Amino acid sequence: DTAVSQTPKYLVTQMGNDKSIKCEQNLGHDTMYWYKQDSKKFLKIMFSYNNKELIINETVPNRFSPKSPDKAHLNLHINSLELGDSAVYFCASSQAVSGANVLTFGAGSRLTVL
Amino acid sequence: AQSVTQLGSHVSVSEGALVLLRCNYSSSVPPYLFWYVQYPNQGLQLLLKYTSAATLVKGINGFEAEFKKSETSFHLTKPSAHMSDAAEYFCAVSSTGGFKTIFGAGTRLFVKA
Repeated sequence: DTAVSQTPKYLVTQMGNDKSIKCEQNLGHDTMYWYKQDSKKFLKIMFSYNNKELIINETVPNRFSPKSPDKAHLNLHINSLELGDSAVYFCASSQAVSGANVLTFGAGSRLTVL
Repeated sequence: AQSVTQLGSHVSVSEGALVLLRCNYSSSVPPYLFWYVQYPNQGLQLLLKYTSAATLVKGINGFEAEFKKSETSFHLTKPSAHMSDAAEYFCAVSSTGGFKTIFGAGTRLFVKA
C-alpha cells in the first residue's frame, strides 16, 4: 500500500490548457502539502492544508488552486498552463502542522507544458 | 525567517570513501533539522532528523549528522560510501510554531567504482 499516492505520474500538455493532479494519503495524517521541484531540483512549498483548512499559501499565481475535500486528499488544479509551470509536483503529508514533523512524500507528478 | 545553505551542488567520492555533505542553517529560533534523500524518479525520504534530544543523530543506511550550534551547521556523513548511496540529498529546517519545512538546494552525490 502506497502511503502517499499521486496521479498522474506524467502529464504532457499544451500551453493554455487546464490540468489537475490528485493526491491521497492513507497514513491518517492531518496535514498535506504541495511542493514544486524545478529543473535544478530546487524544492519550494506551494500550499499546505491542515484538516482541510488552508494554512500556507506561498506566492503562487492564482492559476493554481488547491482543493482538499477531506484530510486524506489534496488535489491541485492548474488553469491556463504556461511553459514555466513545467516541473515535478510533489504531494506530501505529515502528522501535524509544525515542528519536528517528518514529511512523507509521494513519488511526484512530472508536468511538461509544450 | 529560516533558511538552509548546502555547500556544493555536486560531490563525487569513490566507493568505500568518506561521504561528507555540508549544510548550514539560519534560524532565529531553535531549529529542527532534517536530511532527506531522493533517488532518481522518486519522492524524498527521511534519512535523519535533529530535534534537540542529542547533537549527534544517527539515521538510516549508516548516515549520521552532527548539530553544531556554534557553527550553525548540520553536516551529513557516512564512513564508507556505497554505490547505492548515489542520489540527491536535501537538508531542511523547520521550527516549533512554524508551518513549513524549508529545503536547501540539494547536493548530488556521485559514487565512483
